[in-house]
Amino acid sequence: NAGVTQTPKFQVLKTGQSMTLQCAQDMNHNSMYWYRQDPGMGLRLIYYSASEGTTDKGEVPNGYNVSRLNKREFSLRLESAAPSQTSVYFCASRPYRAGANVLTFGAGSRLTVL
Amino acid sequence: DAKTTQPPSMDCAEGRAANLPCNHSTISGNEYVYWYRQIHSQGPQYIIHGLKNNETNEMASLIITEDRKSSTLILPHATLRDTAVYYCIVQTGANNLFFGTGTRLTVIP
Repeated sequence: NAGVTQTPKFQVLKTGQSMTLQCAQDMNHNSMYWYRQDPGMGLRLIYYSASEGTTDKGEVPNGYNVSRLNKREFSLRLESAAPSQTSVYFCASRPYRAGANVLTFGAGSRLTVL
Repeated sequence: DAKTTQPPSMDCAEGRAANLPCNHSTISGNEYVYWYRQIHSQGPQYIIHGLKNNETNEMASLIITEDRKSSTLILPHATLRDTAVYYCIVQTGANNLFFGTGTRLTVIP
């Protein structure tokens, strides 16, 4: 049981390049999330998927797209990377449970855009 | 939306109880209080959550005031491995936990 797995762990991009961050969970969770964390800041929600087949914008969705490929996988795509997207990206998941909102996080993907 | 206020940093002596306060004066009646921690830029780790009653698990205790406007996370016997940023969070919708900047707890030998 690996929990939430993110790849890659580190990535350096040039401005304008595209890339996809991958996230997979093996806990049969319904909902999945992408957060970003800038230095000295808390986490901000980019996109989430409440269940397989649905995706919704979070607090900071501009410049990103997501795909809920199946119940296990939720990817985050940067179509044209910008230096402002330099950040640490965290994927998280949670089971369906009315009321409680307990998330399990991955280890993070550190992205630098030059 | 309910937001939280936490002190930016605290120190605690190893072996002593660490009491981390949080204010959430605008919390709604059906919003839970969650605590997570983040050790050295790892992914945040869930600690505990509660609605109205005090809660305890193997990691910590959560004390919520009767008016629910504030809470305290208690680590009963802090160790060096408890050095981390602790986030007090309230839910701001069915699918969003608002993470502020948290409290950086340093456990001192």
